Amino acid sequence: EVQLAESGGGLVPPGRSLRLSCAASGFTFDDYGMHWVRQAPGQGLEWVSGIFWDSRSVDYAGSVKGRFTISRDNAKNSLFLQMNSLRVEDTAFYYCAKESLYKRGLFESWGQGTLVTVSS
Amino acid sequence: DIQMTQSPSTLSASVGDRVTITCRASQSISSWLAWYQQKPAKAPKLLIYEASRLGDGVPSRFSGSRYGTEFTLTISSLQPDDFGTFYCQQYNSDPWTFGHGTKVEIK
Repeated sequence: EVQLAESGGGLVPPGRSLRLSCAASGFTFDDYGMHWVRQAPGQGLEWVSGIFWDSRSVDYAGSVKGRFTISRDNAKNSLFLQMNSLRVEDTAFYYCAKESLYKRGLFESWGQGTLVTVSS
Repeated sequence: DIQMTQSPSTLSASVGDRVTITCRASQSISSWLAWYQQKPAKAPKLLIYEASRLGDGVPSRFSGSRYGTEFTLTISSLQPDDFGTFYCQQYNSDPWTFGHGTKVEIK
């Protein structure tokens, strides 16, 4: 069974940094692209960032480009999101998602999310 | 970026009703459209991909269709477990974008 467990969320003042982690199990992690998708409380879904299975390509939403960095450690079955220069509007639940082998950008499985609150 | 316009934003229906949700893409996305269901305080779950293919373990009362850039999710006979918010998402081109969601309530 696929399991994705996010961690690292919390309350942080504007301008500070936070690093999210996602521990993956139940599948061959280094076969799959992975993504971060966020959801502001009571709002819809917004794709944030994605990374190829071998890290050779990464993508970001315009709203986070230059501030967030996605990475992965295939030896540890882990996905990361380094978030710098955080803004109030970055407040959201952050989900990691496993991409389909079938087509890029299709999110087959999701973790339960971790809440990031940016507030002074 | 491709915009996804979903309607209605909310709907209330009775058990056994046929329910239809529509999603329109701002440009051609071929059939690269997915539908997800999200229940309160839970992660989204993939229901349908490639416009009409059912995800793993998804009941056959769910179906999807495409007409050009307009896509439809249909629940043939609404069940008590079908509450939640449904989102469409295009995966034709990066950045991957979602509709704003349709909240389904059971009367």
